[in-house]
Amino acid sequence: GAGVSQSPRYKVAKRGQDVALRCDPISGHVSLFWYQQALGQGPEFLTYFQNEAQLDKSGLPSDRFFAERPEGSVSTLKIQRTQQEDSAVYLCASSLNSYNEQFFGPGTRLTVL
Amino acid sequence: AQSVSQHNHHVILSEAASLELGCNYSYGGTVNLFWYVQYPGQHLQLLLKYFSGDPLVKGIKGFEAEFIKSKFSFNLRKPSVQWSDTAEYFCAVVSGTYKYIFGTGTRLKVLA
Repeated sequence: GAGVSQSPRYKVAKRGQDVALRCDPISGHVSLFWYQQALGQGPEFLTYFQNEAQLDKSGLPSDRFFAERPEGSVSTLKIQRTQQEDSAVYLCASSLNSYNEQFFGPGTRLTVL
Repeated sequence: AQSVSQHNHHVILSEAASLELGCNYSYGGTVNLFWYVQYPGQHLQLLLKYFSGDPLVKGIKGFEAEFIKSKFSFNLRKPSVQWSDTAEYFCAVVSGTYKYIFGTGTRLKVLA
């Protein structure tokens, strides 16, 4: 596809459930980023991949958050035992390399009840 | 820690009015600066960017921004807004790494 795609677009989870959010970056983009955007806030960095290597996970808020990109293309952000404070829009972005502009996907809106 | 401030959270303008959205950042070293726009129901899109060179940057749809290093600012401007400019605008800063630091955003509503 022409842009970054994410699925699902909307996810409702009960507290304690595990969720998995998918990101398909632009083909050929080496760098992939995950952000969390809480209501009324700007996106906040979660983690960064260069190809399949996760080079920075300093923004992950807890060890319940886990991200992977096993083949250097599609990435999955997994949240275990979801809590209400995890409710947010999760954005994925990709770029040719880490210093180029980032292209954002439409996001997944996660609501934890 | 680095931070980005967008002082105007909500702006309402009539069509043809001039727009200026403020953005200030806290980092003192070399920075790359961006303005992104998010139209209703759409994803974040790049409006313009500054890496180096001419501090007056022109972007898409008639937007421009001026980098003033001494003021740590990168304000977004448009001389005459249109109803279709209704959106949320985010300023972002990158300094030496890949981590975008975003401001909290400004919601612009343009009245027809």
